Amino acid sequence: DVKVTQSSRYLVKRTGEKVFLECVQDMDHENMFWYRQDPGLGLRLIYFSYDVKMKEKGDIPEGYSVSREKKERFSLILESASTNQTSMYLCASSSSGSPGGGELFFGEGSRLTVL
Amino acid sequence: AQRVTQPEKLLSVFKGAPVELKCNYSYSGSPELFWYVQYSRQRLQLLLRHISRESIKGFTADLNKGETSFHLKKPFAQEEDSAMYYCAFTKRIYNQGGKLIFGQGTELSVKP
Repeated sequence: DVKVTQSSRYLVKRTGEKVFLECVQDMDHENMFWYRQDPGLGLRLIYFSYDVKMKEKGDIPEGYSVSREKKERFSLILESASTNQTSMYLCASSSSGSPGGGELFFGEGSRLTVL
Repeated sequence: AQRVTQPEKLLSVFKGAPVELKCNYSYSGSPELFWYVQYSRQRLQLLLRHISRESIKGFTADLNKGETSFHLKKPFAQEEDSAMYYCAFTKRIYNQGGKLIFGQGTELSVKP
């Protein structure tokens, strides 16, 4: 089974703190993604990566950065957390092998609360 | 811009009733469409994709290019179908990498 593991399930941080969300996948997938999930808004893509050290902005990258130093690991960084970044964050990975892109495999999510 | 619209936030039906979750997309090219499902306390997972033309857990979805729709249907809903359903879209380009655009989600509640 593909396993996407997000290191923190629940975090509570204060406004202005730097926040790291870590994601690791064990299926040698080329592609990795960070989404945020909010009620009524669905999933919105923050950043994605097609390869090590490569990153591309998604639809809502403001206030976030990412790092992909190793193929299996994709980190999301909030440089200075704000209350409007309180959300559920989902990491996902996929293989590039299928036409049009393969199935996305998701982690369990990291629920971040910024006070 | 490419977009996926799910007009219903919540759909409530009784067990045994037919169910249809609506999904419309905006894209003039060849899309690849998916339905993802999230059961309570579980991770988001793929339910079905249009290219496979298969029925999963009794659900089917047909791509209608004329109406730019990909509605999810099941003739007889079960209580275990209660979940959050997301429609998702990607451009159909070989080895593009699978960047998906998701809709807002529809919560399906099946009552006994």
